Amino acid sequence: GENVEQHPSTLSVQEGDSAVIKCTYSDSASNYFPWYKQELGKGPQLIIDIRSNVGEKKDQRIAVTLNKTAKHFSLHITETQPEDSAVYFCAASTGNNNDMRFGAGTRLTVKP
Amino acid sequence: NAGVTQTPKFQVLKTGQSMTLQCAQDMNHNSMYWYRQDPGMGLRLIYYSASEGTTDKGEVPNGYNVSRLNKREFSLRLESAAPSQTSVYFCASSGQGSNTEAFFGQGTRLTVV
Repeated sequence: GENVEQHPSTLSVQEGDSAVIKCTYSDSASNYFPWYKQELGKGPQLIIDIRSNVGEKKDQRIAVTLNKTAKHFSLHITETQPEDSAVYFCAASTGNNNDMRFGAGTRLTVKP
Repeated sequence: NAGVTQTPKFQVLKTGQSMTLQCAQDMNHNSMYWYRQDPGMGLRLIYYSASEGTTDKGEVPNGYNVSRLNKREFSLRLESAAPSQTSVYFCASSGQGSNTEAFFGQGTRLTVV
């Protein structure tokens, strides 16, 4: 089955700096890679996703890149703000949510 | 919009006790899921229901049962709770088709002593 590894487990940056979180996956059949943000006391919320026919996707300060050959994908947050502080999860699936596998999560802290 | 609603938010059980976690969604989604979240392990799928009347095992189904009561509601039951089931449980739902966004509830923090 799919195995998703996520690094780093914790990340601390100064407000205004960039943050990068990296994930690798094992199943070459995976074709959907969402990223979720989980704020304290809340459930995960989708912030951006990418499909295997696309190498990069941007949404304002957030971007995701995918390298299918190397089986890794990354989340990039630019101009970080304190409200970006949360736990971020990457995930990979072959197209069905029932086979989606999550990374262990990255706790991002943005210091004012 | 309420989205996905879970009850209770917190629960403490003694080993061997039973309980049911409730989940309801108001987005008319076909698919519903139960996950557990443990430190350093991300979210792991316990059971899912692709449509009303069907349920299937996920990665970690042992010790749990589920019921898809109707299209809105999907419950998770622990028949005889064990300390290893101490976790945060999340219910989620998604619409029809592949690669559709999953919407999560706020979670239930369960402690088994």
